[in-house]
Amino acid sequence: GQQLNQSPQSMFIQEGEDVSMNCTSSSIFNTWLWYKQDPGEGPVLLIALYKAGELTSNGRLTAQFGITRKDSFLNISASIPSDVGIYFCAGRSQGAQKLVFGQGTRLTINP
Amino acid sequence: EAQVTQNPRYLITVTGKKLTVTCSQNMNHEYMSWYRQDPGLGLRQIYYSMNVEVTDKGDVPEGYKVSRKEKRNFPLILESPSPNQTSLYFCASRLAGGSYEQYFGPGTRLTVT
Repeated sequence: GQQLNQSPQSMFIQEGEDVSMNCTSSSIFNTWLWYKQDPGEGPVLLIALYKAGELTSNGRLTAQFGITRKDSFLNISASIPSDVGIYFCAGRSQGAQKLVFGQGTRLTINP
Repeated sequence: EAQVTQNPRYLITVTGKKLTVTCSQNMNHEYMSWYRQDPGLGLRQIYYSMNVEVTDKGDVPEGYKVSRKEKRNFPLILESPSPNQTSLYFCASRLAGGSYEQYFGPGTRLTVT
C-alpha cells in the first residue's frame, strides 16, 4: 500500500532542544494527523489538520498542513524526557476512507 | 472514558491453534480497522469495516478474518495462525466521515511458535 515519506527516521537530541520532523506525499491530501507511540502502547493522536496552511498547537507541539497539500510538519519545542517515543504522520487523500501512515520518527533525548 | 479496548494484550500460541483478538469501542464510531505493526514495515492495515455487516480487505488480509455484528465490536480471527503472524496488532476506530480522527487501542502482542 501507499506510504508516506517521513523524515528523519530517528533523532538523538539533548533535553531542551527543539525538534522538527516532516512527512511528504506524492499526492494531495485533505487531512493530516500526527500521532505519538510509546513503547508497547498504541499510537495516541496529537494533532489533526484539515486545511492547507493550517497551523495548530497542542502545548509544546505545533503542526502545519503544507500549502502544497503534499506535506506536513511537526515541531516540538523545548523537549523534555517524556517526549521520547515514535512519532507518526498519517494522511488521507480526497474521497479516500483509508489513512496512509509514515514509517515514524524515533525520538531519543539525552538528559 | 472514550476508548478502544483490546483483549488480550499479550498472547503466545502455537501454529494452527485458532484464536480471536477482541476489539471494542465506546465512541459510537462507524469505522473500525485492524493493523499490524512490524519493525521496518510500519503500520499495515489488515481489514476495515465501514459499519455493521460491512467489512473489506486492507493491505495484508491473508490469514485473517473479521466480523462486525455489532457497531461497538470488531474481532480479529486467526483461523490457523502461523509464525509469520507474530506481530503487534492494533485496533482503531473513528467516525465514518467528518474529522477522520482515528483512535487506537493499546495493542495486542501476539507470538506464534
